[in-house]
Amino acid sequence: GENVEQHPSTLSVQEGDSAVIKCTYSDSASNYFPWYKQELGKRPQLIIDIRSNVGEKKDQRIAVTLNKTAKHFSLHITETQPEDSAVYFCAPFSGGYQKVTFGTGTKLQVIP
Amino acid sequence: DTAVSQTPKYLVTQMGNDKSIKCEQNLGHDTMYWYKQDSKKFLKIMFSYNNKELIINETVPNRFSPKSPDKAHLNLHINSLELGDSAVYFCASSPLAGGPSGETQYFGPGTRLLVL
Repeated sequence: GENVEQHPSTLSVQEGDSAVIKCTYSDSASNYFPWYKQELGKRPQLIIDIRSNVGEKKDQRIAVTLNKTAKHFSLHITETQPEDSAVYFCAPFSGGYQKVTFGTGTKLQVIP
Repeated sequence: DTAVSQTPKYLVTQMGNDKSIKCEQNLGHDTMYWYKQDSKKFLKIMFSYNNKELIINETVPNRFSPKSPDKAHLNLHINSLELGDSAVYFCASSPLAGGPSGETQYFGPGTRLLVL
């Protein structure tokens, strides 16, 4: 099965600084690379995704970059705000009826 | 206009009891899932149904039995509850397994199960 790891497992940044979370996967057939955000006590929700024909995608303060050769993709958050504090999950997927494997999660704390 | 809903939101019960969690989605999605999130926040898939058919059955004790009466509903029945079953159970749906956007997961609010 797919091995999916995230680093770091916890991350504390000062408000206004940038945060980067990396997701490493093992299945070279993966072609869909999403990031989910889970606030405390809430459900995970998709915040950004990228497909394997694109190297980078940006949406306001968040961006995702993909390195298919090295089998990793990263979430970048700029100008962090306290409301960015949450657990972030990656979930690379290879398509079809394969199961979705979520990463180990990264707890981000933004200190005001 | 709730997209994916679950009931109950909280469930506190004694060891050995049998309980059910219900899930409904009004997004018109073909695929539904059950996930378990433990105290360390790991999200692990348990089951997946595509249009009422079971397509993924992970290594889950057979005390857990999913049932999908139609493609908008997926229920989870748990027999003989154990302490280790305490977790948050999330239902999710996705548009179409195998389709171009079939992979995005839309989660329900979760059911917090505590077994005493």
